[in-house]
Amino acid sequence: GENVEQHPSTLSVQEGDSAVIKCTYSDSASNYFPWYKQELGKRPQLIIDIRSNVGEKKDQRIAVTLNKTAKHFSLHITETQPEDSAVYFCAAFRDYKLSFGAGTTVTVRA
Amino acid sequence: EAGVVQSPRYKIIEKKQPVAFWCNPISGHNTLYWYLQNLGQGPELLIRYENEEAVDDSQLPKDRFSAERLKGVDSTLKIQPAELGDSAVYLCASSLTGNTEAFFGQGTRLTVV
Repeated sequence: GENVEQHPSTLSVQEGDSAVIKCTYSDSASNYFPWYKQELGKRPQLIIDIRSNVGEKKDQRIAVTLNKTAKHFSLHITETQPEDSAVYFCAAFRDYKLSFGAGTTVTVRA
Repeated sequence: EAGVVQSPRYKIIEKKQPVAFWCNPISGHNTLYWYLQNLGQGPELLIRYENEEAVDDSQLPKDRFSAERLKGVDSTLKIQPAELGDSAVYLCASSLTGNTEAFFGQGTRLTVV
């Protein structure tokens, strides 16, 4: 099955700085890579996704890059704000199954 | 549009007791997932339904866990008997068949004492 590794497990950044989370996957057949944000006690919510035929996607302050050859993808958050503090999960999708990383706890310091 | 609805939000039971969780997916979503989320970890798939058919239950511990989606809409997940190690958040998600984006419910936090 698919194995998704996510780093770092915790990330503390100063407000206004950038945050980068990296994930690797094992199954080259995976073709869809979503990122979910989960605030404490709340449901995971999709914030951005990328498909295997695209190398980069941007939505306002967040962007995702995908390197299919190296089998890794990254989430970039620019100009971080306190409301960006949450747990972020990457995932890889194949055959209708989403395999999640272990999560990154992001803390934005005011 | 209403999102995925789960109940109860919280459940505390004694070990060896049965427990059931309920999920109502987004209207029109034929694919329904049950995930297990342990503290500090990402969700892990337990079972996936396409309409009323369980098409992937390879990760479901069938000795104590069962699930059903009789009419292809609502679903229930049951544990009998519960063990201490079952304490976790149980998440339900749904998506349009053939569409890969999954929408999650709030989850049920189970504590087994």
